[in-house]
Amino acid sequence: GAGVSQSPSNKVTEKGKDVELRCDPISGHTALYWYRQSLGQGLEFLIYFQGNSAPDKSGLPSDRFSAERTGGSVSTLTIQRTQQEDSAVYLCASLTPNTEAFFGQGTRLTVV
Amino acid sequence: TQLLEQSPQFLSIQEGENLTVYCNSSSVFSSLQWYRQEPGEGPVLLVTVVTGGEVKKLKRLTFQFGDARKDSSLHITAAQPGDTGLYLCAGPNTGGFKTIFGAGTRLFVKA
Repeated sequence: GAGVSQSPSNKVTEKGKDVELRCDPISGHTALYWYRQSLGQGLEFLIYFQGNSAPDKSGLPSDRFSAERTGGSVSTLTIQRTQQEDSAVYLCASLTPNTEAFFGQGTRLTVV
Repeated sequence: TQLLEQSPQFLSIQEGENLTVYCNSSSVFSSLQWYRQEPGEGPVLLVTVVTGGEVKKLKRLTFQFGDARKDSSLHITAAQPGDTGLYLCAGPNTGGFKTIFGAGTRLFVKA
């Protein structure tokens, strides 16, 4: 596709359940980021993939959060045993070599 | 740690007014980008500034990169309700492998 695609666009889950969020980046972009955005707030860095290098996981808030990127393309963010404080919009971005970021529309996660 | 500080955090103005928002750092950046995020959408890239002192214009928006490449400003002339959104500045860290975002300026333009 022409842009970054995220799915699902909305997810409502019960507390304690696991969720998987998917990001399809722009073809050819080697860098991919996940951010979290709470209502009315800025972007909270979660994790960063760059080519075949080990990902920068320094922003993951707890060990319930993990992410992988298969084949240097599609990425999945997994949240285990979801908590209400995990409710937020999760944004994915892929970057050009000039570090210009193209964002998906996000997944709005609601934990009830 | 490189940080980008944006000010003001929140700005509410009347349609037709002019405004300037700022993005400051104590570190030098090789480039800075400005993004706008509208409600329910992901941020969208507006412009990239690369050269110290550079000025770029995008219709009613004027972007400036400081001479020392440590700061940038965004000036909007005759703001319109369609300018409402979260304005984010961002830049690559020293190694150039990680993009750092400011916390943003939330702009609301009243009709």
